[in-house]
Amino acid sequence: ETGVTQSPTHLIKTRGQQVTLRCSSQSGHNTVSWYQQALGQGPQFIFQYYREEENGRGNFPPRFSGLQFPNYSSELNVNALELDDSALYLCASSPSGRDEETQYFGPGTRLLVL
Amino acid sequence: QKEVEQNSGPLSVPEGAIASLNCTYSDRGSQSFFWYRQYSGKSPELIMSIYSNGDKEDGRFTAQLNKASQYVSLLIRDSPPSDSATYLCASPGPPTGGGNKLTFGTGTQLKVEL
Repeated sequence: ETGVTQSPTHLIKTRGQQVTLRCSSQSGHNTVSWYQQALGQGPQFIFQYYREEENGRGNFPPRFSGLQFPNYSSELNVNALELDDSALYLCASSPSGRDEETQYFGPGTRLLVL
Repeated sequence: QKEVEQNSGPLSVPEGAIASLNCTYSDRGSQSFFWYRQYSGKSPELIMSIYSNGDKEDGRFTAQLNKASQYVSLLIRDSPPSDSATYLCASPGPPTGGGNKLTFGTGTQLKVEL
């Protein structure tokens, strides 16, 4: 077990709606990253937070936003959902240190947009 | 050109054989590499990391890195059927000071047959 939890496990939304996905890291893991994994593809980096500030962003539109909280939890928010947003959303945490590279994944949230 | 490339497979090996998984990368500045195993419907699980040229062994797994040729491989010995999964190669790329996003290959599907 990685000590990273995510909720919910599954979610069904309709196009145009908004969704919030949640992640909880282990104590001491100050860095959290979010990834989107479409079927048959490797995970794609969305963004990373370190000590509650965004610390890098991938090629995703602004309707993908995030927050990190002092209690090692974080959120991924997606507005104006599109059909292509259907994917497995993964949260990964890293031990202390801004540049610590090893990332441990949570179980993921599977989002289906109809 | 994709930054990290893998053959999608499937790679089929008999039980007890050695499975060899390969990954190539485009950015010569990349310094670290990670292998993850992902079972169908689950999240990626870290197997091992490698930072230096040469071999690194951990139990049945051996990672090999050749920076001159820009490839990294994973050898799995004595493979049981439970090793059947998708194996993902990932690298944060060269240090940028802007977060450590992992860039993943598309993964190689391994099937270990009885």
